[in-house]
Amino acid sequence: DAMVIQNPRYQVTQFGKPVTLSCSQTLNHNVMYWYQQKSSQAPKLLFHYYDKDFNNEADTPDNFQSRRPNTSFCFLDIRSPGLGDAAMYLCATSRGQPAYEQYFGPGTRLTVT
Amino acid sequence: AQTVTQSQPEMSVQEAETVTLSCTYDTSESDYYLFWYKQPPSRQMILVIRQEAYKQQNATENRFSVNFQKAAKSFSLKISDSQLGDAAMYFCAYTSNNAGNMLTFGGGTRLMVKP
Repeated sequence: DAMVIQNPRYQVTQFGKPVTLSCSQTLNHNVMYWYQQKSSQAPKLLFHYYDKDFNNEADTPDNFQSRRPNTSFCFLDIRSPGLGDAAMYLCATSRGQPAYEQYFGPGTRLTVT
Repeated sequence: AQTVTQSQPEMSVQEAETVTLSCTYDTSESDYYLFWYKQPPSRQMILVIRQEAYKQQNATENRFSVNFQKAAKSFSLKISDSQLGDAAMYFCAYTSNNAGNMLTFGGGTRLMVKP
């Protein structure tokens, strides 16, 4: 039944040690998004893919990168995590038209030690 | 740029009573879409209700309804017969045909439901 799946749900990494978070979808949606969400705040968009077209938000740090090898999967790579990168990372998908909702995954909580 | 404001960081309601969450937005566009998303403590965000700006009729989904005031740029969410499961963060969000599939979120309102 799960439509947007994120693995792992919890990730602990060391300061400066690269980490990859994954997202997959069974909805066949065109658009996939990565958000960063800190406690009690709204999600902050990092980047999104419309099909294979990558769109980076202007204020997304260079430390964050993404890959979308196919329609179903999308990855978030954090090259050198800092303590400030500890957050919940949400993946979402949509059909790519504004009238349609975004479907969110359960998130990956990243801890940086 | 579009902005979305939720002026109530926290609200509480007694179980079975009604509560209204406020949202205002700023836009120069005439064709847009508004959403209320719910994020329970388990963290998976789900859509509660959506409103197309061109529709005059307020959207309703079971116990959830909106009061959409286009001229005032206001989009409040009313929850009737509140249940314990309604306790969550609620985010108001905006998008438009020119927004490139992006949502602009408000800051969120934490709703607590008292038994």
